[in-house]
Amino acid sequence: EAGVAQSPRYKIIEKRQSVAFWCNPISGHATLYWYQQILGQGPKLLIQFQNNGVVDDSQLPKDRFSAERLKGVDSTLKIQPAKLEDSAVYLCASSLVSYRDTQYFGPGTRLTVL
Amino acid sequence: GENVEQHPSTLSVQEGDSAVIKCTYSDSASNYFPWYKQELGKGPQLIIDIRSNVGEKKDQRIAVTLNKTAKHFSLHITETQPEDSAVYFCAAHTGANSKLTFGKGITLSVRP
Repeated sequence: EAGVAQSPRYKIIEKRQSVAFWCNPISGHATLYWYQQILGQGPKLLIQFQNNGVVDDSQLPKDRFSAERLKGVDSTLKIQPAKLEDSAVYLCASSLVSYRDTQYFGPGTRLTVL
Repeated sequence: GENVEQHPSTLSVQEGDSAVIKCTYSDSASNYFPWYKQELGKGPQLIIDIRSNVGEKKDQRIAVTLNKTAKHFSLHITETQPEDSAVYFCAAHTGANSKLTFGKGITLSVRP
């Protein structure tokens, strides 16, 4: 079974530029999560989708971050404009149906904002 | 909201010894407690989890214990091997309409 796919794996941009990350969850998984992991810390949930509806985006900085999950499968996370403090690893995870199910993580995208 | 703390932040053990990593949580309503292992350049991988209706769970060399009264849970790794070296995260979840809250992680080093 293929795991969660993410691209790109690495991205370097200058502040005020925009960037987008892509995630393809495990086939059949209804729930998709985006996490931000700052160096030396645990993952922090940014947004959770169930199918193509948003379940929780309370910690998403909506003035600069946006995310969508078209057709309930792939998802993109965008940052515009980026700030220095956005430097982190952005992890995508998916689970079969709901919070009760195991979350499987992708390899992440390491973002560096200069 | 939920607050999860891990201690110690680093742990070094000799190969073959046991390692114990402890986590505390703040929300007594939390009912699901997974442990994730993260290797360099990879995403976290679930290694074991426990739900609040169980006090202990074991899977080969790995076990997790839960003390709901004290609001803490621990990861036990026996017969450690160099490939156990990684960052380990604990997390807690309070159920529907809540999110998984992670601790800051502990770096485990197993010395050959």
